[in-house]
Amino acid sequence: GENVEQHPSTLSVQEGDSAVIKCTYSDSASNYFPWYKQELGKRPQLIIDIRSNVGEKKDQRIAVTLNKTAKHFSLHITETQPEDSAVYFCAAQEAGGYQKVTFGTGTKLQVIP
Amino acid sequence: GAVVSQHPSWVICKSGTSVKIECRSLDFQATTMFWYRQFPKQSLMLMATSNEGSKATYEQGVEKDKFLINHASLTLSTLTVTSAHPEDSSFYICSAGEIRGQETQYFGPGTRLLVL
Repeated sequence: GENVEQHPSTLSVQEGDSAVIKCTYSDSASNYFPWYKQELGKRPQLIIDIRSNVGEKKDQRIAVTLNKTAKHFSLHITETQPEDSAVYFCAAQEAGGYQKVTFGTGTKLQVIP
Repeated sequence: GAVVSQHPSWVICKSGTSVKIECRSLDFQATTMFWYRQFPKQSLMLMATSNEGSKATYEQGVEKDKFLINHASLTLSTLTVTSAHPEDSSFYICSAGEIRGQETQYFGPGTRLLVL
């Protein structure tokens, strides 16, 4: 089955700095890679996703890159703000809504004002 | 956007009792729903895939006789924790994808279970 590794487990940055979270996956059949933000006690919320036919995707301060050959993908948050503080999970999935999602281990991001 | 609800949002029960958690897709149909368990400071671990009209598919290490899943309609899946014990205390979250097969999963708000 799929195995997703995520680093770092914790990350502290000063407000305004950038944050980078990296993930690797094992199953070459995975072709959809969502990123979720989870605040304490709440559901994961999709913040950005990327499909295997795309190398990079950007949405305002958030960007994701994918290297399918190397089986790794990264989340980049620029100009971090205190409200970005949360736990972030990467995930890997095969195409289709009926396919299960395999989550990474999570990164606790703390943005220091 | 698509909305998934869960009920109850939290439950406290005595050891040995059974607890039922409902997961509903409110504005879309879902042939498949997923049940996750999340312990404090850990990731979401998939427990089982719930398939409408057929048996659920359980992940390795998850006891199907302890975690009963029923997916009787395209908008409702239930997870019953039977004979709950303190080690079953956790945050249970369901998710669903739209019937059209898009990849995006919509998560319920979660159910926090505390077994005394």
